[in-house]
Amino acid sequence: KAGVTQTPRYLIKTRGQQVTLSCSPISGHRSVSWYQQTPGQGLQFLFEYFSETQRNKGNFPGRFSGRQFSNSRSEMNVSTLELGDSALYLCASSYSGGAPDTQYFGPGTRLTVL
Amino acid sequence: KNQVEQSPQSLIILEGKNCTLQCNYTVSPFSNLRWYKQDTGRGPVSLTIMTFSENTKSNGRYTATLDADTKQSSLHITASQLSDSASYICVVSVPYPGTYKYIFGTGTRLKVLA
Repeated sequence: KAGVTQTPRYLIKTRGQQVTLSCSPISGHRSVSWYQQTPGQGLQFLFEYFSETQRNKGNFPGRFSGRQFSNSRSEMNVSTLELGDSALYLCASSYSGGAPDTQYFGPGTRLTVL
Repeated sequence: KNQVEQSPQSLIILEGKNCTLQCNYTVSPFSNLRWYKQDTGRGPVSLTIMTFSENTKSNGRYTATLDADTKQSSLHITASQLSDSASYICVVSVPYPGTYKYIFGTGTRLKVLA
């Protein structure tokens, strides 16, 4: 069974630009969560999608948004990029998102904002 | 405030030695606790998951313990190998309407030397 895939793996943008990251979950998984990981803050939860609906959201500004498609693939968008948005963005999928479901993480997208 | 704190921040040990990583949490209510291993440049991989009623869970050379009364968990690594060099992240899940929220620790960076 293929794992969680994320594209692109690396991205360099400049301040003010916007970016879209993509995540394909494990086949059959309906829950997709997004996380931001930085050396100082560790992993921080962005949002979770289940059956095309956002059902959980972290404490990030509205510049961060996402969506999920009918095939469970998900995209995350960051508008008006800031230097502080430089991070590793991880996507994780699980069957239902319910405990004790295990979340399976993708390799991440490394975003650098110049 | 729901928090998960891990110690030590970093650890260096010699190959073949044992080590124990700590996780203290103030999260309430508590659903389950997971330990993840994250290799450099890759997404986290689940090692163990325990509900509040479980005291210990093993996965090969990894053994996690949980004391729900003191809100402490530990991850013990036996006979360490070079491949154990990674960050270890403790995550506590909290019930949230229709789903769960995940509170992440900032991790312990383990380096195993030959």
